[in-house]
Amino acid sequence: EAGVAQSPRYKIIEKRQSVAFWCNPISGHATLYWYQQILGQGPKLLIQFQNNGVVDDSQLPKDRFSAERLKGVDSTLKIQPAKLEDSAVYLCASSFGGETQYFGPGTRLLVL
Amino acid sequence: GEDVEQSLFLSVREGDSSVINCTYTDSSSTYLYWYKQEPGAGLQLLTYIFSNMDMKQDQRLTVLLNKKDKHLSLRIADTQTGDSAIYFCAERFYGGSQGNLIFGKGTKLSVKP
Repeated sequence: EAGVAQSPRYKIIEKRQSVAFWCNPISGHATLYWYQQILGQGPKLLIQFQNNGVVDDSQLPKDRFSAERLKGVDSTLKIQPAKLEDSAVYLCASSFGGETQYFGPGTRLLVL
Repeated sequence: GEDVEQSLFLSVREGDSSVINCTYTDSSSTYLYWYKQEPGAGLQLLTYIFSNMDMKQDQRLTVLLNKKDKHLSLRIADTQTGDSAIYFCAERFYGGSQGNLIFGKGTKLSVKP
């Protein structure tokens, strides 16, 4: 069974630029999560989808971050405009029933 | 609010046992998890325990849960150099809407040959 796929693996941009990350969850997993992991910290949830609907986006900085999961499968997370403090690893995870989340390899973002 | 705390570093010799400790705050948490993160990689689920259990064993891994003290530990028997990684404790928190995972800052395990 294929795991959670993410791309790109690495991205370097300048502040005020925009960037987008893509995630393909494990087949059949209805729930998809985006986490932000700042260096030296544990992951922090940004947004949770159930199929194509948003369940929880209370931690998402909505002035600059947006995410969508239009067809209930793949998801895209966008940052526009990026700030220095957005430098982090962005992790996507998926789950079938909610008890167990499986993580992708992450996208490492560096904002200069 | 919710919080998960872990010690930041642990160093052991190859072949010894490692014990990584974690405390959590939400008494209503139903599942508690241990994830492993190797350099440059995502999080790998190692094991999890349901809150009505005291212990769970899976090959070299033993998880102990003390609900009274809200203390969780992960014991790795016969620790190998390949076990060197950061280990994250997480609780499934129901204070939000859908049982989100709240992670600790991670314990960096170094295994010396």
